[in-house]
Amino acid sequence: DAGVIQSPRHEVTEMGQEVTLRCKPISGHNSLFWYRQTMMRGLELLIYFNNNVPIDDSGMPEDRFSAKMPNASFSTLKIQPSEPRDSAVYFCASSLEQIGRNEQFFGPGTRLTVL
Amino acid sequence: GEDVEQSLFLSVREGDSSVINCTYTDSSSTYLYWYKQEPGAGLQLLTYIFSNMDMKQDQRLTVLLNKKDKHLSLRIADTQTGDSAIYFCAERGRTGSARQLTFGSGTQLTVLP
Repeated sequence: DAGVIQSPRHEVTEMGQEVTLRCKPISGHNSLFWYRQTMMRGLELLIYFNNNVPIDDSGMPEDRFSAKMPNASFSTLKIQPSEPRDSAVYFCASSLEQIGRNEQFFGPGTRLTVL
Repeated sequence: GEDVEQSLFLSVREGDSSVINCTYTDSSSTYLYWYKQEPGAGLQLLTYIFSNMDMKQDQRLTVLLNKKDKHLSLRIADTQTGDSAIYFCAERGRTGSARQLTFGSGTQLTVLP
């Protein structure tokens, strides 16, 4: 398996523009997580889905952020409009939820810079 | 809510042992994890321990769990320059959502030649 795939790997945009980050989880996994990593706040869980349904979005910073999972093999995280303080590395992770350790597998991340 | 704390930095000399410590607050934690993040990469699971265990060894890695004190440690024997990375402690508890992990802030390990 190729692992969790994220695109783009790097994104530079101007303040006010719409940004869409994409994630393809590992085939067969039923849970998907979006994280944001910054020096100031470390690793933050933004939202996670189980069986394509958003379960907890309490980490989404504000209404400018939205996430969708239209099917089991694809998810997007959208920021509209983007602001400089959104600059961070955004990680997608997936796991197979079952009784047991439920390891989360992380993608390589998207480094977002908002100018 | 649940909290996981780690020291931010650790420096060791190549060949020495490294010990990275972590404390957590959720007494209902079921699994505790150590993840490694190399520069420019995502987090990779190194090892994990179930809460009813005290110790787990995997080659150069030894995980110790003191459930009474809610203290977790990761020992890396014969530390190499390739071990330089950020190490995250994470816990999964029964409270709240069982699917969520709570991560510490990460410990930056620097291995000096």
